[in-house]
Amino acid sequence: NAGVTQTPKFRVLKTGQSMTLLCAQDMNHEYMYWYRQDPGMGLRLIHYSVGEGTTAKGEVPDGYNVSRLKKQNFLLGLESAAPSQTSVYFCASSYSGQYNEQFFGPGTRLTVL
Amino acid sequence: AQSVAQPEDQVNVAEGNPLTVKCTYSVSGNPYLFWYVQYPNRGLQFLLKYITGDNLVKGSYGFEAEFNKSQTSFHLKKPSALVSDSALYFCAVRDPGGGNKLTFGTGTQLKVEL
Repeated sequence: NAGVTQTPKFRVLKTGQSMTLLCAQDMNHEYMYWYRQDPGMGLRLIHYSVGEGTTAKGEVPDGYNVSRLKKQNFLLGLESAAPSQTSVYFCASSYSGQYNEQFFGPGTRLTVL
Repeated sequence: AQSVAQPEDQVNVAEGNPLTVKCTYSVSGNPYLFWYVQYPNRGLQFLLKYITGDNLVKGSYGFEAEFNKSQTSFHLKKPSALVSDSALYFCAVRDPGGGNKLTFGTGTQLKVEL
């Protein structure tokens, strides 16, 4: 099993450009999450999904959109990138239920110039 | 709202010595607590979790964590540190609002030296 995979691994954007980050999991997990990691701030939740076709806002959703058309995929979109969105983005997934740990992807390093 | 504090940005320890990485939490209701480790340029890996029961939780790679309800702490420990344990460690608490969401601390960099 590949676990959680993320595409691309690195990306450089200019301010105002758009892009989509793809997350895929092969563990049949119901829940999926997008986080951003910034130095000294830990991980902050952007959006999450508790099932196919459903999404919800996390702690820092502004400037991002998400879609979960298939259970195994969770897409994170930036419509108009800003330098403040320079960060490392992590996708995670978990089984439903309140005790289950999350499994993380390897991350995408995004730089917005 | 729930929160996690990791008071030390960095912990240095000599190989073979015991290590402790500190974590305190604040949450309404029963606490569900997690420790993750992040190696350079990698995603987070699950180490262990506290749900209920025994206050000493054992996890991967010889790590354990001690839950203390009165002190609202969940410190990560290992009896004998290895150089390969050098990494960034995150404590997290489950959000009682559902969706199995986690709130993470800011992380503690562990450096184990020979």
